[in-house]
Amino acid sequence: GENVEQHPSTLSVQEGDSAVIKCTYSDSASNYFPWYKQELGKRPQLIIDIRSNVGEKKDQRIAVTLNKTAKHFSLHITETQPEDSAVYFCAARGWDAGKSTFGDGTTLTVKP
Amino acid sequence: GAVVSQHPSWVICKSGTSVKIECRSLDFQATTMFWYRQFPKQSLMLMATSNEGSKATYEQGVEKDKFLINHASLTLSTLTVTSAHPEDSSFYICSARVGQGGYGYTFGSGTRLTVV
Repeated sequence: GENVEQHPSTLSVQEGDSAVIKCTYSDSASNYFPWYKQELGKRPQLIIDIRSNVGEKKDQRIAVTLNKTAKHFSLHITETQPEDSAVYFCAARGWDAGKSTFGDGTTLTVKP
Repeated sequence: GAVVSQHPSWVICKSGTSVKIECRSLDFQATTMFWYRQFPKQSLMLMATSNEGSKATYEQGVEKDKFLINHASLTLSTLTVTSAHPEDSSFYICSARVGQGGYGYTFGSGTRLTVV
């Protein structure tokens, strides 16, 4: 089955700095990679996603890059703000497959 | 957008009792519902996949007799934790696949279960 590894497990940055979270996956059949933000006790919220036919996608301060050959993808947050503090999860799955495999999560803390 | 309503949001129960968690798709038909479990500061672990009108598919290591899943209609899936024990205390969250192919899931709001 799919195996997703996520690093780092914790990340602390100063407000205004950039944050990068990296994930690797094992199953070459995976072709859809969403990123979720989860605040304490709440549901995960999809913040950005990428399909394997695209190398990079950007949405305002958030971007995701995908290296299909190396089987890794990354989340980039620029100009971080305290409200970006949360746990971020990456995931991988087939586009038409149902279940996702999640990374272990990264706790991001943005210090004012 | 697609909304999944999950109830209850939190529940405290005594050891040995059963607890039912419901997930309803409010504005779409959820042919497939995924049930996850999340321990504090850990990732979401898929427990089972339920398809409307058929038996759920459980992940390895998940006891199907303990975690009963019913998906009797296109808008309702339930998870019943039977004979709950303190180690079953966790955050349970459902997620429905929206449409075909599909950009991600839509998650329920989660249920915090505490077994005392």
